[in-house]
Amino acid sequence: AQSVTQPDIHITVSEGASLELRCNYSYGATPYLFWYVQSPGQGLQLLLKYFSGDTLVQGIKGFEAEFKRSQSSFNLRKPSVHWSDAAEYFCAVGDSGGSNYKLTFGKGTLLTVNP
Amino acid sequence: DTAVSQTPKYLVTQMGNDKSIKCEQNLGHDTMYWYKQDSKKFLKIMFSYNNKELIINETVPNRFSPKSPDKAHLNLHINSLELGDSAVYFCASSQSVGPLHFGNGTRLTVT
Repeated sequence: AQSVTQPDIHITVSEGASLELRCNYSYGATPYLFWYVQSPGQGLQLLLKYFSGDTLVQGIKGFEAEFKRSQSSFNLRKPSVHWSDAAEYFCAVGDSGGSNYKLTFGKGTLLTVNP
Repeated sequence: DTAVSQTPKYLVTQMGNDKSIKCEQNLGHDTMYWYKQDSKKFLKIMFSYNNKELIINETVPNRFSPKSPDKAHLNLHINSLELGDSAVYFCASSQSVGPLHFGNGTRLTVT
């Protein structure tokens, strides 16, 4: 069964600093990978996705992520964090199994941004 | 023109009651989902429907009964509510294999 591990429960960075959120997945075939962001009291917004091709994917709000098959990782990065980036971030893996497609989520990383 | 909308946003009720949450998507997607987010923010799939047909039922108590009258709607009915049902319930949709588009959630509080 597929699974996702986000090793960091809570990360604090200063505004303007760079950010990297870690994600490791377990899946037997080529995975579909996603990063979502959830602000308090809100739904989940898609930041970016990886299906195939270029292993460095660009997303919204200045985020990017790199797929590394050898490390089973899909880490999220941003060069300069803004206070509005404070939120919960979820990595997810989607299986490619046809009609029973679903996303399996990691437990999330809470990002706090200090002024 | 909200893509995935669910109602109500908040639901406060007593143990033993029956309640429903409604979800609608206007994206033309063929698959809809219910996810449960617990107090620790963990998201777990409950159900998925593809063109009104139940596809995934992830060991959810049979007090939870999803219903899809058409492929744009997926409702969740919960019988005999228990304290442990308190959570945020998210509806989502996708077009075959792809990203899920989520609604804003329904916060259910059982007292």
